[in-house]
Amino acid sequence: EDQVTQSPEALRLQEGESSSLNCSYTVSGLRGLFWYRQDPGKGPEFLFTLYSAGEEKEKERLKATLTKKESFLHITAPKPEDSATYLCAVQASWNTDKLIFGTGTRLQVFP
Amino acid sequence: GAVVSQHPSRVICKSGTSVKIECRSLDFQATTMFWYRQFPKQSLMLMATSNEGSKATYEQGVEKDKFLINHASLTLSTLTVTSAHPEDSSFYICSALDRRYGNQPQHFGDGTRLSIL
Repeated sequence: EDQVTQSPEALRLQEGESSSLNCSYTVSGLRGLFWYRQDPGKGPEFLFTLYSAGEEKEKERLKATLTKKESFLHITAPKPEDSATYLCAVQASWNTDKLIFGTGTRLQVFP
Repeated sequence: GAVVSQHPSRVICKSGTSVKIECRSLDFQATTMFWYRQFPKQSLMLMATSNEGSKATYEQGVEKDKFLINHASLTLSTLTVTSAHPEDSSFYICSALDRRYGNQPQHFGDGTRLSIL
């Protein structure tokens, strides 16, 4: 069964304290892995798409990496405005655009 | 770019009422739209996928007669929750993409908070 697991469930960081969020997946055939940011009461905001192991993408303080079994979202020197829930999702088949989401990591960054 | 608008943002209504939620792609043509449901502190669960001009494909366990989906144009999809009951209270989110341009990410609306009294 296709599955996505994110850890930790919640993360509290001091401003400037770098860390990483993990997304482990088991799928029959990975078509793409997506990272989204979701603020309370809002829809997810697209961050990155990764397609193959070894691929990396960066945007401001965020960097996403991908291996054959997991993806990491590295946050460098986070700021309070980075506080949000970060969602990982996979497209598990070439026959569908369906996304399978993990339960997310709730990040809180304190000044 | 890739803006998806969802309306209304919040609905409170009595049990037995039918509620319609609109999802519009504002600056691109959405060949495919998706409807999700999200419970507090849980992940997004896909309810159905709709392609413009076609009948929606529902996920297992989702009642198609309960959740009516229409995707009549490339910029608009609607979800109607028929005869809503308190257990239908949830956060409903739509997303959209244009699959004519390869493997594009889904872009999401800001969701509709549905509360049934």
